[in-house]
Amino acid sequence: DTAVSQTPKYLVTQMGNDKSIKCEQNLGHDTMYWYKQDSKKFLKIMFSYNNKELIINETVPNRFSPKSPDKAHLNLHINSLELGDSAVYFCASSPRYNEQFFGPGTRLTVL
Amino acid sequence: AQSVTQLGSHVSVSEGALVLLRCNYSSSVPPYLFWYVQYPNQGLQLLLKYTTGATLVKGINGFEAEFKKSETSFHLTKPSAHMSDAAEYFCAVSSRTGNQFYFGTGTSLTVIP
Repeated sequence: DTAVSQTPKYLVTQMGNDKSIKCEQNLGHDTMYWYKQDSKKFLKIMFSYNNKELIINETVPNRFSPKSPDKAHLNLHINSLELGDSAVYFCASSPRYNEQFFGPGTRLTVL
Repeated sequence: AQSVTQLGSHVSVSEGALVLLRCNYSSSVPPYLFWYVQYPNQGLQLLLKYTTGATLVKGINGFEAEFKKSETSFHLTKPSAHMSDAAEYFCAVSSRTGNQFYFGTGTSLTVIP
């Protein structure tokens, strides 16, 4: 069984569109994260949720909105996609401030 | 505030040679420390971590790291590089009490046959 899963794995879309990326973890962890990895492999944390509550919200355009329907899911919705949003987005979970378990990533390409 | 610095964005070693990837952290109190590996087109995988106790930590695939408080370092080593070790390596630090988790900028390891 996959511990942290993301869908879709690849996402190609036009500028201005709205898209969502889904993340699910079956590890029973309290905390989930979204990261953006750019073309230089730099990892930037975007959001963190603990038990469905937002605890980290870094400087991210408000076009990005996370939603956590329950402790096992943290979805990322992006409005009005821009070229600069092209990146790999990783979901992760952790048992409360400890090591993080990463999903396989979603490669977003905005044309 | 915490931060982590990885010296050398690219490291090349010959197959069979020692691997040394450097990581220094900045923290007012000893944090939790981690090394992750990312193979091409994959997510990050934990190699090893230091929380408390023995300062020499052994991880998967023959890697180990030593926490040196006096040097605020957590360098990653492997005695003999394999071709399969070619990947991106990230050092990370988290606070013991808060919810802060910071990654270094990564080091790309190339193994030369």
